[in-house]
Amino acid sequence: TQLLEQSPQFLSIQEGENLTVYCNSSSVFSSLQWYRQEPGEGPVLLVTVVTGGEVKKLKRLTFQFGDARKDSSLHITAAQPGDTGLYLCAGDSGAGSYQLTFGKGTKLSVIP
Amino acid sequence: DTGVSQDPRHKITKRGQNVTFRCDPISEHNRLYWYRQTLGQGPEFLTYFQNEAQLEKSRLLSDRFSAERPKGSFSTLEIQRTEQGDSAMYLCASSLLGYNEQFFGPGTRLTVL
Repeated sequence: TQLLEQSPQFLSIQEGENLTVYCNSSSVFSSLQWYRQEPGEGPVLLVTVVTGGEVKKLKRLTFQFGDARKDSSLHITAAQPGDTGLYLCAGDSGAGSYQLTFGKGTKLSVIP
Repeated sequence: DTGVSQDPRHKITKRGQNVTFRCDPISEHNRLYWYRQTLGQGPEFLTYFQNEAQLEKSRLLSDRFSAERPKGSFSTLEIQRTEQGDSAMYLCASSLLGYNEQFFGPGTRLTVL
């Protein structure tokens, strides 16, 4: 069974601070996706990373896929209250299975 | 492009009753997925369709659960004889053949009393 562990589980920071959250596994994934989820809503796709070592930027968000495709990180620069939410990583193992394996998420609160 | 829609958004039922949820995927998306999410957890895979064919089912999908996608467009998920442990958010997602990205709907929140 493939598992994704996310850390930290909870993070509360002041507006303007930088932060990094992590997504780790002992398994290799063919791709990894990051989502943000608001309470009572479905996850919204932020980015997909496919190549080991890949770095993608989305405004103030920087996503990195580990060289071995087992881990990923999300870095937010100058966090804003609108960044508040649950950040989920999800891996696709490939090999003919299209289900995503999700971590439990990092709950981020950005205080104005 | 209207995105994935789910109906109803909320459902409260009594233990033992049957419930049915509907998912309309993004048009032209041929893959459709059902996930379940409980409090404090990430979504867990239930089942997946490619067009009208159900190709993969999780062990979480007990005999009381059945999913259909009769014409390869919308899908329904039925839970028979609901139990309190079925209380969760049921999420639907869709994707295009050949692409990794899955796009989620807003979910149906089920509460079993």
